[in-house]
Amino acid sequence: QVQLQESGPGLVRPSQTLSLTCTVSGGSIRNDDYYWTWIRQHPERGLEWVGHVYYSGTTHSNPSLGSRVTVSLDLSKNQFSLKLSSVTAADTAVYYCARGDDVFGTEAFDIWGQGTLVSVSS
Amino acid sequence: IVLTQSPATLSLFPGEGATLSCRASQSVRSYLAWYQQKPGQAPRLLIYDTSTRATGIPARFSGSGSETDFTLTISSLEPEDFAVYYCQQRGTWPTFGGGTKVEIK
Repeated sequence: QVQLQESGPGLVRPSQTLSLTCTVSGGSIRNDDYYWTWIRQHPERGLEWVGHVYYSGTTHSNPSLGSRVTVSLDLSKNQFSLKLSSVTAADTAVYYCARGDDVFGTEAFDIWGQGTLVSVSS
Repeated sequence: IVLTQSPATLSLFPGEGATLSCRASQSVRSYLAWYQQKPGQAPRLLIYDTSTRATGIPARFSGSGSETDFTLTISSLEPEDFAVYYCQQRGTWPTFGGGTKVEIK
């Protein structure tokens, strides 16, 4: 079955760029039925959608994060990535990659990675 | 679109039924999902499109509602059901509710 796995540094310095990669196994990201998403969860708090990318390359990101978010695909590696620039302590969170279902109306997130904690600190 | 979940915490005995509420600040039609999250784990999709159970989800979980008011019902709590539950809508961009913690009484 399809599995997702996040990877990347667990510590990022303030003002630097957070970079994470999600490797998709057991299925291809070359699939119009799905889109590929980043969601984060601040410690002891709820969930916040960060951004997502479609197989076509179209991307969307959370307006509250402005232009700091870049989500992209690497079709050759069956991976997708997140870059979040100019980070502050407020960006400290567990980051999840997830698959979004583009077939049914809710476009729910049906498969999730295990999550990776990224701390922003000097 | 803001999703408001209530109550924040629900204290129940195993075997009891649970009713969780999710209210949207404007209509989301039927485009609402529910997730379960246990400590140290990623959320798991339970319900999408208001009432459709995801693959492998037991029948004791059911969803209902429309437009702005939605309910997740767990008919009889099993020990593994004590967790935090989130609702999520699609809208212009996805948002999640603040969560309801179902704890053992």
